[in-house]
Amino acid sequence: ETGVTQTPRHLVMGMTNKKSLKCEQHLGHNAMYWYKQSAKKPLELMFVYSLEERVENNSVPSRFSPECPNSSHLFLHLHTLQPEDSALYLCASSQVSGTDTQYFGPGTRLTVL
Amino acid sequence: TQLLEQSPQFLSIQEGENLTVYCNSSSVFSSLQWYRQEPGEGPVLLVTVVTGGEVKKLKRLTFQFGDARKDSSLHITAAQPGDTGLYLCAGRTGGFKTIFGAGTRLFVKA
Repeated sequence: ETGVTQTPRHLVMGMTNKKSLKCEQHLGHNAMYWYKQSAKKPLELMFVYSLEERVENNSVPSRFSPECPNSSHLFLHLHTLQPEDSALYLCASSQVSGTDTQYFGPGTRLTVL
Repeated sequence: TQLLEQSPQFLSIQEGENLTVYCNSSSVFSSLQWYRQEPGEGPVLLVTVVTGGEVKKLKRLTFQFGDARKDSSLHITAAQPGDTGLYLCAGRTGGFKTIFGAGTRLFVKA
């Protein structure tokens, strides 16, 4: 497995469910990111972890809870979501040096009913 | 609020035509990336530019970073249907924040 992988690729959940999104990077990077991509809007940065510490938290509702157990894995725990949270959730990773170019996973398409 | 304005938002052209996509900002970027994204997939990196005035070529794609590192352009020569997709520019300003443009959706007709 190479690059950045995300599971599941598609998720449908009710507003009372609890689910988790998983991201794994195989690039040896030490920073990981969660983004939300909604139709016709720029990517919105949600969370950033550097060396397993959260360094950015862009006013994201508490119904989204990130977890970074090590530099290769990142989770996004979801609970009591709203229909407007339906979007493509993208994980990315980068090296904390140089150009810090981010490499993205394929995303999880989330639908909240 | 830092913005990265991308234009045009949508472009539909015939195969063989040339096109240019622009990204403009009032912010200075330490680096700028161009990505291409297909429906239901994540953005795929095309290029990173770092130095003001830098020009990079990737087959029929030419990327330029402005001298002041506030703007960039992507030029595609002789577009092909395989070039169809959403093109995103992203500027790094320092720290961990990256500003993304809203994207240019390109459709190349055979």
